[in-house]
Amino acid sequence: DAKTTQPPSMDCAEGRAANLPCNHSTISGNEYVYWYRQIHSQGPQYIIHGLKNNETNEMASLIITEDRKSSTLILPHATLRDTAVYYCIVRGEYGNKLVFGAGTILRVKS
Amino acid sequence: DAGVIQSPRHEVTEMGQEVTLRCKPISGHNSLFWYRQTMMRGLELLIYFNNNVPIDDSGMPEDRFSAKMPNASFSTLKIQPSEPRDSAVYFCASSQESYNSPLHFGNGTRLTVT
Repeated sequence: DAKTTQPPSMDCAEGRAANLPCNHSTISGNEYVYWYRQIHSQGPQYIIHGLKNNETNEMASLIITEDRKSSTLILPHATLRDTAVYYCIVRGEYGNKLVFGAGTILRVKS
Repeated sequence: DAGVIQSPRHEVTEMGQEVTLRCKPISGHNSLFWYRQTMMRGLELLIYFNNNVPIDDSGMPEDRFSAKMPNASFSTLKIQPSEPRDSAVYFCASSQESYNSPLHFGNGTRLTVT
């Protein structure tokens, strides 16, 4: 499975959009981009995933570049409760496991 | 939908004792995953099952660890004998058997081995 690169930490003001970047330059054609988050001491929470097209759900939007080498998770109106570790994961067609990296610590500040 | 259910939530045991962690996946999910999380190593995949069959156990640290899935609605992770370095939070997750299907995680079991 392709590896991902994320910044170790980011800050965001409450009420503003949080844009979390992820690089996955070695992604292959059938690999999906998944985003999860983990709030302290809880299990990882699924946010969104996509293959080629941009995706949106009630939690977030996922923007994938045309060459698929990077993506951005957008939380449109961040709240204090969105403070968490956010993981970008590329999931391959050979085995359906998820391999977690270090993620990005997002701190939402009032 | 009750989600993935893990038990116990907390387990404290002494070194050398046997520990059994339990997981009930979401009904209809046919893939099950066991993860371990520590501060030093982050979230590590230990083993996963498809249709009750172990597919990849390369993350199981050593022979002291074993996992079973006797049926589609139950799995166990056993550590025998336990050691202090096994102290961690253990998560179970389930999904459909497809890389287009998200994993859903339980709330974990916090294991402390003294």
